[in-house]
Amino acid sequence: DAKTTQPNSMESNEEEPVHLPCNHSTISGTDYIHWYRQLPSQGPEYVIHGLTSNVNNRMASLAIAEDRKSSTLILHRATLRDAAVYYCILRKAYGQNFVFGPGTRLSVLP
Amino acid sequence: EAGVAQSPRYKIIEKRQSVAFWCNPISGHATLYWYQQILGQGPKLLIQFQNNGVVDDSQLPKDRFSAERLKGVDSTLKIQPAKLEDSAVYLCASSLVGGGADEQFFGPGTRLTVL
Repeated sequence: DAKTTQPNSMESNEEEPVHLPCNHSTISGTDYIHWYRQLPSQGPEYVIHGLTSNVNNRMASLAIAEDRKSSTLILHRATLRDAAVYYCILRKAYGQNFVFGPGTRLSVLP
Repeated sequence: EAGVAQSPRYKIIEKRQSVAFWCNPISGHATLYWYQQILGQGPKLLIQFQNNGVVDDSQLPKDRFSAERLKGVDSTLKIQPAKLEDSAVYLCASSLVGGGADEQFFGPGTRLTVL
């Protein structure tokens, strides 16, 4: 299974943009890039996903490198409620499953 | 729309006892997943159902864990007998069809403590 590598932790100031990196050098052409986050004492929640092109939704933006070997989750204005563990996960087209790594713990400072 | 429901939210048992967890997925979702999350780690997939058939149970410890999905809707996960290392949060998730672009919706989890 293709694996992802993320920094263990990151810190951001409130109301500033946050760029969360993810490396996936062994990604295959049919792997989707998914991002989930997990707030304290809650189940993970979906943030965004993409295949080849950059994606935007109400929560975040996903920037995918041209060679697809890395991606960046962008939170445009961090709030205290964005403090969570963020997971970058690869998923094959026919749904073989999510392998969660340890993720990146994001702290947001007021 | 209603989310994924799980019960109980918390359970404390002694080792060698049995325990069961229940999950009700989002209506119309064909795919159901059970994950185990040990403190400080990411969730680990235990079993994936497509309707009422098993798609992947490669990481389910089958000597003590079992799961079923009744009529392709609700699901139960059972541990018999429990060990200390089974202490974890058990998460249920569901998705519409289970494909690569599918979004998974997670329940709140059941926190199991084995003494």
